[in-house]
Amino acid sequence: NAGVTQTPKFRILKIGQSMTLQCAQDMNHNYMYWYRQDPGMGLKLIYYSVGAGITDKGEVPNGYNVSRSTTEDFPLRLELAAPSQTSVYFCAITRQGATSMTEAFFGQGTRLTVV
Amino acid sequence: AQTVTQSQPEMSVQEAETVTLSCTYDTSENNYYLFWYKQPPSRQMILVIRQEAYKQQNATENRFSVNFQKAAKSFSLKISDSQLGDTAMYFCAFMNTNAGKSTFGDGTTLTVKP
Repeated sequence: NAGVTQTPKFRILKIGQSMTLQCAQDMNHNYMYWYRQDPGMGLKLIYYSVGAGITDKGEVPNGYNVSRSTTEDFPLRLELAAPSQTSVYFCAITRQGATSMTEAFFGQGTRLTVV
Repeated sequence: AQTVTQSQPEMSVQEAETVTLSCTYDTSENNYYLFWYKQPPSRQMILVIRQEAYKQQNATENRFSVNFQKAAKSFSLKISDSQLGDTAMYFCAFMNTNAGKSTFGDGTTLTVKP
């Protein structure tokens, strides 16, 4: 049971390049999220999904896109990389139970540098 | 929208002593969850403790406990018998019941000194 797996762990992009950050979970949690963490700051929500086929914007969605075709996978796409997107990206999951929600379970993060 | 404020960017404590990290939040919701997460240099986010807003009793997990004051919108973390392994960044987080979206504070860097 790996939990939440993010790939890659590190990446350097040139300005204008594109890439996809992968996130996969094996915990069958219905909710998935992408956060970014800038140096010395807390996490900010980029996009989230409450189930396959359903996605919505978070606090800082500009410059990103997501899709969720399965329960397990929630990739984050950067189309035209900009230096402002240099950050650490975290994928997280939660589950809505009968009476409460779980805490968020996080992947190990992807450190992205745009030069 | 919710906001979470951690007013102490850095703190230090001697090994075996007690330290309290502060967190305040702002929300108009009545039902929500609060968390403290630990982020060591490995950058992995690790749950320390959780509190459901409808519970009046403060949560405890071994050496970690919270002081949850719902009316004051305050949620502080007390670490007792601090250990060197407690050195990390600590984040306070508010989770709403609408899709479980979380809002994080900017963190407190805690250093435990031998």
